Amino acid sequence: GNSVTQMEGPVTLSEEAFLTINCTYTATGYPSLFWYVQYPGEGLQLLLKATKADDKGSNKGFEATYRKETTSFHLEKGSVQVSDSAVYFCALTLTDSWGKLQFGAGTQVVVTP
Amino acid sequence: DAGVIQSPRHEVTEMGQEVTLRCKPISGHDYLFWYRQTMMRGLELLIYFNNNVPIDDSGMPEDRFSAKMPNASFSTLKIQPSEPRDSAVYFCASSPTATNEKLFFGSGTQLSVL
Repeated sequence: GNSVTQMEGPVTLSEEAFLTINCTYTATGYPSLFWYVQYPGEGLQLLLKATKADDKGSNKGFEATYRKETTSFHLEKGSVQVSDSAVYFCALTLTDSWGKLQFGAGTQVVVTP
Repeated sequence: DAGVIQSPRHEVTEMGQEVTLRCKPISGHDYLFWYRQTMMRGLELLIYFNNNVPIDDSGMPEDRFSAKMPNASFSTLKIQPSEPRDSAVYFCASSPTATNEKLFFGSGTQLSVL
């Protein structure tokens, strides 16, 4: 079956530090990959996406590259801010079942001043 | 636009009671989704609608759960009777197209069944 595995949190780091959240996937087909972010008390928001191998999604200083050879989609940001404190979800969907986003467990990130 | 609106934000009820969660999608969005978020299972898709018609309800856990969409601007998720294991955050999401990059989530309903 399809699944997404994320590194466990919480990840605690200082402002301006480098952030990496690992995400790997298994899929029976050729998935599209997503990162969603959930700020406290809010619903999920799409952060970035990639639909084919070697695509790089980017938004708000965050980046992730679709690596088919390692089945990974790691999220990175070079210099985090306190406002980046949130829960980050890696997700995939297959083209023939687009409504069925398969989410990872989520990784909580805490950025301290 | 106000975004996807869910009510109530919090619901506390006793086991055996009926619970109804409500969702108003973004105007013009033809797709509506119900998700459940728990610590144990993460985010799970329960059901989704297209143009008010249920398309896939394979994620609905059991017959105690039912969802309806009587019109384009309103959907309900009902649990009857509720059980403590139903305690979770329930999210509604809507999308204007058959792609995931335009999926907008509501703020969720925190359900606690005692």
